[in-house]
Amino acid sequence: AQRVTQPEKLLSVFKGAPVELKCNYSYSGSPELFWYVQYSRQRLQLLLRHISRESIKGFTADLNKGETSFHLKKPFAQEEDSAMYYCALRGPQAGTALIFGKGTTLSVSS
Amino acid sequence: DAGITQSPRHKVTETGTPVTLRCHQTENHRYMYWYRQDPGHGLRLIHYSYGVKDTDKGEVSDGYSVSRSKTEDFLLTLESATSSQTSVYFCAISDSNTDTQYFGPGTRLTVL
Repeated sequence: AQRVTQPEKLLSVFKGAPVELKCNYSYSGSPELFWYVQYSRQRLQLLLRHISRESIKGFTADLNKGETSFHLKKPFAQEEDSAMYYCALRGPQAGTALIFGKGTTLSVSS
Repeated sequence: DAGITQSPRHKVTETGTPVTLRCHQTENHRYMYWYRQDPGHGLRLIHYSYGVKDTDKGEVSDGYSVSRSKTEDFLLTLESATSSQTSVYFCAISDSNTDTQYFGPGTRLTVL
């Protein structure tokens, strides 16, 4: 079964602390993995896509096929990082819909 | 925002009434999607479209229908709204050049 698991509903950290949002997936084949971010009551925005290997807003994520994980990391959290983060996957065929995890709320306090 | 708009942005309706939500895009992308967002469930696919008049069901399609008579518009209809359909509904497109999904601003629907 195709599935995305985000084990933490809520992650609370202090400003300047490192952040790691966990994402594990189940998929037979070669999926594409994504991280989306949703600031309060706004639309989802693409944060990272594994094939692009970019760093956006200081966040990085590495696809680990052996552990079937795609954890999102940032070395120093900022208060403006507070948001809901969704991990998602989809198959390689163009236009395939996304399968989302249940999301993790990141709360960064000073 | 990839030229995606949704209307209405907020709606309150009563159980048993039909409701239609509209998603409009300005960039002629082929693929369009409707998701619903619920606490504890993340986003779940309702229906999607891969072209004009070409649609298919997603994970949570019961009680919903869709239509796409023009490339730019993808309509989601709740045939007879129920309280369990109270949710935030997001439309998305898949960018034809990058095959990346972008989302509309969402419609907050409350069924009383």
